Amino acid sequence: DSGVTQTPKHLITATGQRVTLRCSPRSGDLSVYWYQQSLDQGLQFLIQYYNGEERAKGNILERFSAQQFPDLHSELNLSSLELGDSALYFCASSGSGTGELFFGEGSRLTVL
Amino acid sequence: QQPVQSPQAVILREGEDAVINCSSSKALYSVHWYRQKHGEAPVFLMILLKGGEQKGHEKISASFNEKKQQSSLYLTASQLSYSGTYFCGTEDAWDTGTASKLTFGTGTRLQVTL
Repeated sequence: DSGVTQTPKHLITATGQRVTLRCSPRSGDLSVYWYQQSLDQGLQFLIQYYNGEERAKGNILERFSAQQFPDLHSELNLSSLELGDSALYFCASSGSGTGELFFGEGSRLTVL
Repeated sequence: QQPVQSPQAVILREGEDAVINCSSSKALYSVHWYRQKHGEAPVFLMILLKGGEQKGHEKISASFNEKKQQSSLYLTASQLSYSGTYFCGTEDAWDTGTASKLTFGTGTRLQVTL
């Protein structure tokens, strides 16, 4: 158990819909990262937040947005969903200095 | 730019050794290695910083050749529990060591059999 909690674990929705994925980082970790993993693909970095502020952006689509709340949990919002958005979405957190990422178990999104 | 991992897949018998390579076209600050078992989250193995450092974790070790912008992960006397997909993540040389700058390779699928 990494200490990072993600909900929901599985989500099935239709094209055009909007979903929200939630992540609670490890206790004390200020950084939250979102990654997308498509079938047989590596981990694509989407976005990072640090203590409520956006720190870095990767290959995140304009239809996607995220935020980190004062209690440090984070949400990833995916809108106008397309079939190609079907993937495993991981949240990870890290403490200061080590660079080690602790991944949650992921949220598997299926868009039909 | 995504680092290139080789081989893409490897099958080993228990007790055999394996090497997984990770190459980048950019000068690197660090290389991170993670293992992901099927249906699970990636788990951190080790970080190597520039300087040719070699690290070990039981029978899993790694090296980092800064000049060649390459890292290799060595799995010695493999066990069934080593099965999974191994990812390297690289940070470019001008970055300050934040994990947000990690660019992951597409992974090497390792299967250990009896």
